Amino acid sequence: EVQLLESGGDVVQPGGSLRLSCAASGFTFSSFAMHWVRQSPGKGLEWVSGINNGGGDTNYADSVKGRFTISRDNSKDTLYLQMDSLRGEDTAVYYCAKDPRTWQWLLPYFDDWGQGTLVTVSS
Amino acid sequence: VLLTQSPGTLSLSPGESATLSCRASQSISSRYLAWYQQKPGQPPRLLIYGASSRATGIPARFSGSGSGSDFTLTISRLEAEDFAVYYCQQYGSSLGVSFGGGSKVEIK
Repeated sequence: EVQLLESGGDVVQPGGSLRLSCAASGFTFSSFAMHWVRQSPGKGLEWVSGINNGGGDTNYADSVKGRFTISRDNSKDTLYLQMDSLRGEDTAVYYCAKDPRTWQWLLPYFDDWGQGTLVTVSS
Repeated sequence: VLLTQSPGTLSLSPGESATLSCRASQSISSRYLAWYQQKPGQPPRLLIYGASSRATGIPARFSGSGSGSDFTLTISRLEAEDFAVYYCQQYGSSLGVSFGGGSKVEIK
């Protein structure tokens, strides 16, 4: 059974930093691209960032480009999201999510999701 | 690609059928359209991909159709566990993926 467990969410001041982690199990982590998707309180879903299976290629939404960095450690089956220069509009539940296709990473859909971790940016 | 979902809220009784619409601001290539269900406090759950293919374990009462820029999710014979928010997502545009704003199916 695929399991994705996010951690690292917290309350942080505007301009601050936070690193999210997503521990994966139940599948061959190194074979699949991974993504972060966020959902602001009471709002819809927004794709944030993606990384290919090897970690050498990354992609970001314009809203976070230059502030967020996605990475992965395939030896630890873990996905990360480094979030810098945080803003109020970054407040959201952050989900890590997996695309079921091993050959696709740029234009994903998502068959497995974690439970999410809440990031609150507030002074 | 902007995805517009309608209606915003649909009030129905168990046993009735629900028809949810997702319209894209431009044609989506290869029917790269997915549907998700989300219940309060839970992550989204994949229902449909490729516009009409059911994901693993999804009951046959859920069906997807459409092409180009108009897509539909139909839930026949609503059951109690189907009352939730439904999102469409496109993954066929070179501009990147995007989600619709959601449609809520509530108990009448």
